[in-house]
Order: sequence, then structure tokens, then C-alpha cells
Amino acid sequence: EPEVTQTPSHQVTQMGQEVILRCVPISNHLYFYWYRQILGQKVEFLVSFYNNEISEKSEIFDDQFSVERPDGSNFTLKIRSTKLEDSAMYFCASSEGAGSGNTIYFGEGSWLTVV
Amino acid sequence: RKEVEQDPGPFNVPEGATVAFNCTYSNSASQSFFWYRQDCRKEPKLLMSVYSSGNEDGRFTAQLNRASQYISLLIRDSKLSDSATYLCVVSRSYNTDKLIFGTGTRLQVFP
Repeated sequence: EPEVTQTPSHQVTQMGQEVILRCVPISNHLYFYWYRQILGQKVEFLVSFYNNEISEKSEIFDDQFSVERPDGSNFTLKIRSTKLEDSAMYFCASSEGAGSGNTIYFGEGSWLTVV
Repeated sequence: RKEVEQDPGPFNVPEGATVAFNCTYSNSASQSFFWYRQDCRKEPKLLMSVYSSGNEDGRFTAQLNRASQYISLLIRDSKLSDSATYLCVVSRSYNTDKLIFGTGTRLQVFP
């Protein structure tokens, strides 16, 4: 079964450092997403991306965050200057389309710890 | 008020039991509804979409009541492997761009 792959699986970084989380969505998918889940809390939407631009973003996704699709396969989330409260599991996801008949597939997540 | 509310549980049930989870959502404009399953420290996985007419997939039955803004999931003949957190998820549009998750209901099935 095709899957969304994410790297790294776990990263520890110092506060103020830049972090890039990488994702390879499923190959024929056109819609890409980042979600995050702080330990013990609910999964929260960060951003959706289609046709090389952000289609929607949440209030969490401030100027410290950016996304990019640098080539035909990777989709990255960059956090410019990490804060302690950025510690969370970050899930990349993708879907073939955006209608209700389309399933969003999640990657296994990148666990970010900011110290 | 939370946009999607669930009883966090845990629900501790013996194998073979029937268990039901409920969920309410606050935005009447919500259009799409789902149940996801999440194992500890893993990614959410779609269990089933929820339709107004109700739908069933094997031992799992989902119901939607738009008037009451209420979604339910029934699991029959519980298996040990059903132990997980069940996430109620809604989308405000027919697009699945932005999924809004509940905090989840923890199920523990014991032998």
C-alpha cells in the first residue's frame, strides 16, 4: 500500500534553531497538509497546500512557519526559530483530491522536541 | 465551546463486548464527518466516513444526526486489537482540506 513517508522520525533541537521536517507524499496525490499534535492533546490543522501554493492555514501557522515543495516529490515544513511550545508530533498528509470522497493519508509523524 | 467534543474515556471493556462512542460538533455548517483510529504515538488512520443515512463496515457502525449535531460509533464483538483512541473528525466543507479533530476516546479491550 502506498504511504506518506516522513523524516526525521525524531529530532531534538535547541530553542531558537531552525528545523526542517521532510515528507514524501503519495506519488499521485495533489493535496498536501501538515498537522501537529502536542503530547496529550488533539491533532490540529496547520496548513494545506495545492498547486504550489498554500490553500488554507490556521492561526497556529504564523510567520515562523513555512512550507515548500522544492521538487516533484518532497514537501517540507520549516520552523524558523523554534520555541519550547513547538514541541509536538508533526504529521504530514496527502490526498488525491479535496472532495469528501477523498481520503487523507497521514505519515507516521516527526516527533520534534525543543529544549 | 470546543468545536468537536468527545468523552475522553477510557472505556475498559471485555473482549466480545459492544461499545458505543459519541461525539458532538458545534458548527452546524460542518459537512463531512469521519471516525479515525489512533494507536499510541502513531498517525491517525481513517476508520470510516459517516453519512446521514448511517453506514456499517463489518463490526463498526457509524451514525450521524445533523439536527442534534451528534455522531456515534458502535463497535460490536470487540477484539483486543480494537484497543486504541477513536477520533471524531469533522470538516466544514465538502473538501477535506481542513479536518477538525476531537481529543479522542480511549478504548481498552481486555481478555
